[in-house]
Amino acid sequence: GIQVEQSPPDLILQEGANSTLRCNFSDSVNNLQWFHQNPWGQLINLFYIPSGTKQNGRLSATTVATERYSLLYISSSQTTDSGVYFCAVARVDSNYQLIWGAGTKLIIKP
Amino acid sequence: DGGITQSPKYLFRKEGQNVTLSCEQNLNHDAMYWYRQDPGQGLRLIYYSQIVNDFQKGDIAEGYSVSREKKESFPLTVTSAQKNPTAFYLCASSLAGSHTQYFGPGTRLTVL
Repeated sequence: GIQVEQSPPDLILQEGANSTLRCNFSDSVNNLQWFHQNPWGQLINLFYIPSGTKQNGRLSATTVATERYSLLYISSSQTTDSGVYFCAVARVDSNYQLIWGAGTKLIIKP
Repeated sequence: DGGITQSPKYLFRKEGQNVTLSCEQNLNHDAMYWYRQDPGQGLRLIYYSQIVNDFQKGDIAEGYSVSREKKESFPLTVTSAQKNPTAFYLCASSLAGSHTQYFGPGTRLTVL
C-alpha cells in the first residue's frame, strides 16, 4: 500500500516564525489533503491539493505530484496554529479511502 | 447549526462488553466514515458508507460493526472481538464525489 511520511515529527517555534512541513508519499495519488488537529482533537480540512499551489491567508501548500511530495507553509505563526498537521492521500483507484501520515506536532510559543 | 455530532465524548467500557458510538450529521452528506486514532499516529479507516443501507470495510474493520439505516446516522459498535479498543474515534462525512471530509469532535474510548 501507499506509504505517507511526514517531517519533521515535532516542531517548536516562537510566535511570528515561519515553518515548512513536508509530506512524502510512495505512489501516484489523485487526492492529497492537509488537515489541522487542534489540541482538543478537532480535525479541520486545510487544503485539497493533489497538484499545484494554493494559498489561504497565512497558509499555503504546494504539491509536486511527479516527485511525490507536498509542502505546507505557515507564515507569521500564531499560538492558535499549534496542534498536529496531517497529510492524507488516496490511492488512484479509491478516492475515498484516505491513507494518513503520522503527523507533524507543531508548538508555537508566545 | 449544521455539523457532525458524536456522543458520548468520553466512554469507559469493561472488557468483554460491546459498546456503540453515535455519529449524526445534518449536512445532508451522502458519505460517512469512521476512523480510529491511536496516540502519536495518523487516522486509520474502519468503515465507510457512500449511501444508505450500504457500507464497506476499511483497513481495520475486524472487531467493529456499523449500520446505515438513515442518511443522517452512522453508528459504530465496538465489539468484544476488538482486542485493543482503547483509542480516539472520529466520524466524518462528505458530499458524494467530494474530496472534502468534515469531522466530528470525536469519542475517547477507554477499556478498563
